[in-house]
Amino acid sequence: EIVLTQSPATLSLSPGERATLSCRASQSISTYLAWYQQKPGQAPRLLIFDTSDRATGVPARFSGSGSGTDFTLTISSLEPEDFAVYYCQQRSTWPPLTFGGGTKVEIK
Amino acid sequence: QVQLVESGGGVVPPGRSLRLSCAASGFTFSSYGMHWVRQAPGKGLEWVSSIWYDGSYKNYVDSVKGRFTISRDNSKNTLYLQLNSLRAEDTAVYYCARDIGRGLPPRGYFDLWGRGTRVTVSS
Repeated sequence: EIVLTQSPATLSLSPGERATLSCRASQSISTYLAWYQQKPGQAPRLLIFDTSDRATGVPARFSGSGSGTDFTLTISSLEPEDFAVYYCQQRSTWPPLTFGGGTKVEIK
Repeated sequence: QVQLVESGGGVVPPGRSLRLSCAASGFTFSSYGMHWVRQAPGKGLEWVSSIWYDGSYKNYVDSVKGRFTISRDNSKNTLYLQLNSLRAEDTAVYYCARDIGRGLPPRGYFDLWGRGTRVTVSS
């Protein structure tokens, strides 16, 4: 099973700042990584798939990068609606599909 | 309107069974692989099970193998998850999710989610 480790657990930032979230895989997953956003009481929302492809309707301030074992989600300038929990997920080797533990982006 | 709507959750004692349903609308359900993902209270996301667009192949996370069964009825645009021998650790919100790709095999990303149905296993 591929384990995904996200860091930091919590990121405290102000609107307008840049957010950089990390996801590390226990073995190479090529570029088979997605990012999801989840707000309290809501279902997750797909943001990025295959490391850097934005899902339909996702603003350009969200971008993804990386390959192999190290991946990054960047939010170039935080909007108030971006404060949420973010999960990475791999589909390189499955089953099982696995998620990281999440990073909470909170308002500083 | 493209959507998934789960139902069937509830409070059940350990060892009992429950059947979850997920009604799909607004897209060609029979063309997509489908998944169940769960989230325990205050915890992260856990993939549970997947089924190919035609129901020909299914897989499960180890912790539910032999207890949960995924199925689909493409004539009714509905996905199911039969939960048997429930345990306290199965307590979670269960989401159904659509695979991002059409046809075989599923790509393994989730591009459409329902709002979830809550399952509580407690005596």
